[in-house]
Amino acid sequence: QSVVTQPPSASGTPGQRVTISCSGSSSNIGGNTVSWFQQLPGTAPKVLIHSNDQRPSGVPDRFSGSKSGTSGSLAISGLQAEDEADYYCATWDDSLNAWVFGGGTKLTVL
Amino acid sequence: EVQLVESGGGLVPSGGSLRLSCAASGFTISSYWMHWVRQAPGKGLVWVSHINSDASDTDYADSVKGRFTISRDNAKNTLYLQMNSLRVEDTAVYYCASSNWFDRWGQGTLVTVSS
Repeated sequence: QSVVTQPPSASGTPGQRVTISCSGSSSNIGGNTVSWFQQLPGTAPKVLIHSNDQRPSGVPDRFSGSKSGTSGSLAISGLQAEDEADYYCATWDDSLNAWVFGGGTKLTVL
Repeated sequence: EVQLVESGGGLVPSGGSLRLSCAASGFTISSYWMHWVRQAPGKGLVWVSHINSDASDTDYADSVKGRFTISRDNAKNTLYLQMNSLRVEDTAVYYCASSNWFDRWGQGTLVTVSS
C-alpha cells in the first residue's frame, strides 16, 4: 500500500478530457512537488510532468499537471488511443526520507 | 544518443548477491542525482535508492536498507547497485533514472530470485 494514492483505473473516449488524482499527506505532496510518469506496455516509464506543472520538452501540451494542498492531478485533454497506458505520480516524503510512487492508474481509451 | 543502459540482472538463489550497473552515454551523470527504481512483474513502480552527484548522500527504501548499496563512478559515467541477501520479493525489473525529475530512464534489467 503506497503512501500516495491513485485510482487503479480511469477511462475515456477519444477527444475527451480525463483527470487522474494523486492523494497524499503533509509529509509528501503537502510539502514537495509532484511528478507524473507514463508507462506504455512493455516499456520504461517516461516523465510527463515535473515540479507539479512543468512539461519537459517534447511532451504534448495535452498533458497538464496541478497541485492543491496534499493532492496532485494529471489532466489529459483530447484523449487519443495512444494515451492508453499506466500513469504514476511520485513525490518525496520527508518522514520516510524516500521517494514514493503512487500505485498507478491504468488508463483505458474506449 | 542520450541513453542509460542497465546490465547485471539474472537468476540468483535466495540469499545470493548481484551487482547491477547503469552506464550512461550522450550525457554525463556527474551533475545529477541518480536513482534505482524497481517494478515487480505486473506491479507498480517502487523507488529503491538514490545517490547525490558526489556520492556523499544516499537514501534507501526501508525494504532494502542494510542489504543494498548504491554507488557511482563519475569517471566511468556509471551507476551501480550492489544487492546482497536477496529475497524472492526482490524479483523485479530494475531501472536506473537520472535527476530529481527522473527525466531519463534505462530499459531495465530483470532480476529473478528463486526460492
